[in-house]
This record gives sequence, C-alpha cells and structure tokens, in this order.
Amino acid sequence: EVQLVQSGAEVKKPGESLRISCKGSGYSFTSYWISWVRQMPGKGLEWMGRIDPSDSYTNYSPSFQGHVTISADKSISTAYLQWSSLKASDTAMYYCARTDIWSGSLDYWGQGTLVTVSS
Amino acid sequence: EIVLTQSPGTLSLSPGERATLSCRASQSVSSSYLAWYQQKPGQAPRLLIYGASSRATGIPDRFSGSGSGTDFTLTISRLEPEDFAVYYCQQYGSSPTFGQGTKVEIK
Repeated sequence: EVQLVQSGAEVKKPGESLRISCKGSGYSFTSYWISWVRQMPGKGLEWMGRIDPSDSYTNYSPSFQGHVTISADKSISTAYLQWSSLKASDTAMYYCARTDIWSGSLDYWGQGTLVTVSS
Repeated sequence: EIVLTQSPGTLSLSPGERATLSCRASQSVSSSYLAWYQQKPGQAPRLLIYGASSRATGIPDRFSGSGSGTDFTLTISRLEPEDFAVYYCQQYGSSPTFGQGTKVEIK
C-alpha cells in the first residue's frame, strides 16, 4: 500500500526555522517525484515545487522560489520542506504528494502538516 | 504561468442530479497534463482524473473528464451524498498550477 506520512503539526514564532518531512512507503521512492502543496486557511491549493528523489533535482513555483527549500534523502525515502525564517503568512496546511512523472498528476497525498506561525 | 479559472464557484445541486464543472486555461494545456481532484473538509485532496479523461484507481465511473486545449470539464453523472465537496483542476506544465476550486453543495 502506497503511503506518504508527514511529520506532525508545528507552532513556531516569526523568524524561526523549520523543516517538515514526508516519508514514502509501499513503492519505489525514486521512481516518482514528490510535490509540495500549500493550502492557507479557507483557501485553495497552491503548488509550491517538486523534487526528483533519484537525483534531488528540484523546480519551484515562481511564487515560492527563494522562500522555501525542498530536499530529499532517498536512503530513508523521505522528502523535506524547509524555511530559514518563517513569517506569519506561512501559516497553512502543507501537503506532500507523490507525482507521476508522465502525467504530472499527484496520485497519492500525505495527511498534511499544519504549520502555525505566531508571536 | 498558466492560470486556470474554474466555474462556477459554487454549484448547488440535489443528490441524483448531474454536475458539470468547467476549467478554462489562459493558454493551451496538453491534455496529458490536466488533472482533477476532490477535497472534503479536513481531508487531503484525492486524485479523480488524470490526462484529462482517465479515471484514477478506485474512482467510480460516474466521474468523467473531457476537453482539450483551453477548455476542460469534469462531469459527475449522478451525485451521491459523498460527492459534495470542493473540486480542483490542475495543469502540469513547466510550472504547475491549480484552479481556484468549485464547491459542490447540497441544494
């Protein structure tokens, strides 16, 4: 069974750093990309970027380029999303999703990680 | 960046009715790279349709997708109670984007 299990909810202060994780199981982790998607409270889905775990090649949405970093450790089938300096506007639910290389569709999703940034 | 515009914003229908959701792109999208997702409150999105018209694993055949170029449609032939949710289209070009969503609510 394909599963993506994300790390737990986080409460941080503005300016703090953070890394959240997404562990894949039940499939070959290096055969699919991992995408990250943001959903701000009460809002729609925003594609942030993706990583190819086989070689750690990444590409980002222009809206998120420079604000977050996506990485992966294929030895433990885990992808990461990190911030060096959080802002209150980063408060959102973040989802990772397995991404089919051929269609670009996000076929399996993690349960989401809620990040709250508040002073 | 390709902008996807979904309409209507909200669709009020009764169980058993047919739902037709539209997704219009600001420029042509390869049909191979158009997907639809369903999201229920408090849950992660679920893939329904990929490649504009192929159902994902386990998706009932009352869900169908069609379209090409800049105009795509998701049709739910007969709404079941569990189908009331928000639906998003997504294109996977050089920079993937989602539409803003259509909420299908019970009339």
